[in-house]
Amino acid sequence: DQQVKQNSPSLSVQEGRISILNCDYTNSMFDYFLWYKKYPAEGPTFLISISSIKDKNEDGRFTVFLNKSAKHLSLHIVPSQPGDSAVYFCAASGHNYGQNFVFGPGTRLSVLP
Amino acid sequence: NAGVTQTPKFQVLKTGQSMTLQCAQDMNHEYMSWYRQDPGMGLRLIHYSVGAGITDQGEVPNGYNVSRSTTEDFPLRLLSAAPSQTSVYFCASSWPGDEQFFGPGTRLTVL
Repeated sequence: DQQVKQNSPSLSVQEGRISILNCDYTNSMFDYFLWYKKYPAEGPTFLISISSIKDKNEDGRFTVFLNKSAKHLSLHIVPSQPGDSAVYFCAASGHNYGQNFVFGPGTRLSVLP
Repeated sequence: NAGVTQTPKFQVLKTGQSMTLQCAQDMNHEYMSWYRQDPGMGLRLIHYSVGAGITDQGEVPNGYNVSRSTTEDFPLRLLSAAPSQTSVYFCASSWPGDEQFFGPGTRLTVL
């Protein structure tokens, strides 16, 4: 049973438009969430994080929103660029997980020129 | 500063063979971990270590061994390879509770 879900395996967006990637979790003990970006033949790289004490965190074109009551977070990319085409993983952690993170299955984003 | 390095990049094994995947980091991170990535499954934690001499099992530890004799190195050993271990393996390191830095991965095929 996956504790972190990314229900859209893939997403296509036109360059310049907004990309919205979604992530749902089932464990209410999770309190720290991260997004990673992965290009083919490379390891994942950290993109942005959010703690459960906040409901929004911004870093340039990337914004993560957290809705604790719905156990849902989303990553917004505005404006989307062709270089954003990659697989995006959502990851979650909590006090009962120590330093470990649980990863979702990933969403492949394609930004079309 | 090389970050997290992994060797080899690619490996083909026959069923029953053993091998060691190497991982090293030069950031003096206490925490290191091994994941496997399979289609539709995301990254699943195999083993992790919170410091030299300390290791523990993750979500999918069966068939794998680890040791942590130094802060820098965290090798993953496959004892008797099986086709189910065909996957891409990633090593990662971090400070406690922080985002993880990942290596480039090892693509393993077991025939």
